[in-house]
Amino acid sequence: NAGVTQTPKFRVLKTGQSMTLLCAQDMNHEYMYWYRQDPGMGLRLIHYSVGEGTTAKGEVPDGYNVSRLKKQNFLLGLESAAPSQTSVYFCASSLRDPSDEQFFGPGTRLTVL
Amino acid sequence: ELKVEQNPLFLSMQEGKNYTIYCNYSTTSDRLYWYRQDPGKSLESLFVLLSNGAVKQEGRLMASLDTKARLSTLHITAAVHDLSATYFCAVTHAGGTSYGKLTFGQGTILTVHP
Repeated sequence: NAGVTQTPKFRVLKTGQSMTLLCAQDMNHEYMYWYRQDPGMGLRLIHYSVGEGTTAKGEVPDGYNVSRLKKQNFLLGLESAAPSQTSVYFCASSLRDPSDEQFFGPGTRLTVL
Repeated sequence: ELKVEQNPLFLSMQEGKNYTIYCNYSTTSDRLYWYRQDPGKSLESLFVLLSNGAVKQEGRLMASLDTKARLSTLHITAAVHDLSATYFCAVTHAGGTSYGKLTFGQGTILTVHP
């Protein structure tokens, strides 16, 4: 099993550009999450999904959209990137219950100029 | 709102010494995680603590949970250089609309030197 994978690993955008981050998991997990990590702030939840076709807002959802068209994939979109979105983005998944252990992907380092 | 605070945020240790990282959280939770993160890497799960009084050990690391005090500790015994990393605690919300969501502490950057 590959576990949780993320594409791309690195990306540089200009202000106003758009992009989509892809998260894929092969563990048949129901729950998937997108976090951002900024220095000194731990990880903060952006959006999450409790199953195929469902999404919900987390702690810092503004400026991001998500979709979960297939159970194994969770996409994070930035429609108009801003320098404040420069961060490291982590995807995670958990099996069936929201309190099950979350497994994290390798991260995507995004820089917005 | 669930808040999670770790201290210290920076820890410089000599090899062979012992030290403890503290994790306090503000509201009732049903489980607590400790993660390790190496520079530029993802998070690696170290421990899951499920109940009051839970204690888990792996090598030189031992984690404990006191749900009444809303406190978890990560104790490092006879530190070695390989333990240098950032350590996060994370707590799940016990109920309500935030049930199951993880809230992370700020992280403790541990450096072990000779």
